[in-house]
Amino acid sequence: RKEVEQDPGPFNVPEGATVAFNCTYSNSASQSFFWYRQDCRKEPKLLMSVYSSGNEDGRFTAQLNRASQYISLLIRDSKLSDSATYLCVYSGGSNYKLTFGKGTLLTVNP
Amino acid sequence: EAGVTQSPTHLIKTRGQQATLRCSPISGHTSVYWYQQALGLGLQFLLWYDEGEERNRGNFPPRFSGRQFPNYSSELNVNALELEDSALYLCASSFGDRNYGYTFGSGTRLTVV
Repeated sequence: RKEVEQDPGPFNVPEGATVAFNCTYSNSASQSFFWYRQDCRKEPKLLMSVYSSGNEDGRFTAQLNRASQYISLLIRDSKLSDSATYLCVYSGGSNYKLTFGKGTLLTVNP
Repeated sequence: EAGVTQSPTHLIKTRGQQATLRCSPISGHTSVYWYQQALGLGLQFLLWYDEGEERNRGNFPPRFSGRQFPNYSSELNVNALELEDSALYLCASSFGDRNYGYTFGSGTRLTVV
């Protein structure tokens, strides 16, 4: 089983749509979870951390279910600028290494 | 505050040559991480340096090596370059004792011909 599995995508949605990304991880010792976004040919940028209680940042909501080893990201009222690849990420143990999923490509269309 | 800086931005080498990539972390950060992102693949962990020591390495051959200097900047060296080493090499930095998501530099795009 892969360490991090994400929806393969791509997702093509119209502006204003709500889109959800899902991710599962295999390492039960994982401690911290994140969503990153990566624009074409650019470096990944931290979008938000993910907490067990769920957290929201504007139009973005992230959820973590440790029992199911599952993370989600919900984007409401999609904007053209949301078009990017979204990477599911976790870290675990003492080495602070981040493990990345392969990402899901989102294209928001006018 | 300056972010993570990497140089060069682009690098073209021929097969068998050596490549040296450089990274300067955010001021105050002691840990530097190197990742490889080949076309169509996810980010693969290469190396972690903290306080001048190699703390962990990913599943890469020994021809991938590096070091961290007293000012916490870092070099990644790739010897005996192969075509499949062509990729975006990303450096990130963080505080060594905190498990936060870290900040990446803009990367070095290495092309091996």
